Amino acid sequence: KAGVTQTPRYLIKTRGQQVTLSCSPISGHRSVSWYQQTPGQGLQFLFEYFSETQRNKGNFPGRFSGRQFSNSRSEMNVSTLELGDSALYLCASSLRGASNEKLFFGSGTQLSVL
Amino acid sequence: GQQVMQIPQYQHVQEGEDFTTYCNSSTTLSNIQWYKQRPGGHPVFLIQLVKSGEVKKQKRLTFQFGEAKKNSSLHITATQTTDVGTYFCAAFMNSGYSTLTFGKGTMLLVSP
Repeated sequence: KAGVTQTPRYLIKTRGQQVTLSCSPISGHRSVSWYQQTPGQGLQFLFEYFSETQRNKGNFPGRFSGRQFSNSRSEMNVSTLELGDSALYLCASSLRGASNEKLFFGSGTQLSVL
Repeated sequence: GQQVMQIPQYQHVQEGEDFTTYCNSSTTLSNIQWYKQRPGGHPVFLIQLVKSGEVKKQKRLTFQFGEAKKNSSLHITATQTTDVGTYFCAAFMNSGYSTLTFGKGTMLLVSP
């Protein structure tokens, strides 16, 4: 069974640009969560999608958005990039997103904003 | 907001020494999960604890969930260089769906 796939692996952007990151969950998993990881703040929850609906959202500005498609693949978008958005963006999937399920993480997208 | 506190932030040990990381919450947790992230890698699930006072072992790793379900610990006996990485505890702070809140992690360095 293929794992969680994130593309691209690395991205370099400049301030003010926008970026779209992609995540393909494990086959059969319908819940996709996104996390931002930085050395200072650790892993911070961005949002979670299930059946194309955003069920939970973390404390991030509106520049961060996402969506999920009918095949459970998910994208996240960051508009008007700021230097502080430089981070590793991790996507994780689980079957239903229930609180007793473990998360399977992708390898992440390393975003650098110059 | 609700959070999970994890200490220490960093620990450097000699190979063969023991290591412990602690996780604390101000609220009662339904369960707690532990993940390991190797340098340059992504978090990988290790274990989930559900019951009050639960203790689980995986070879040299021992996981405990406190009686009040507000704290947890991970203990590694006789560390090896393969144990290097960051260990995170994580808990669902909201009832219901997948809002897994992570502690800031403990980075473990093991010198041969």
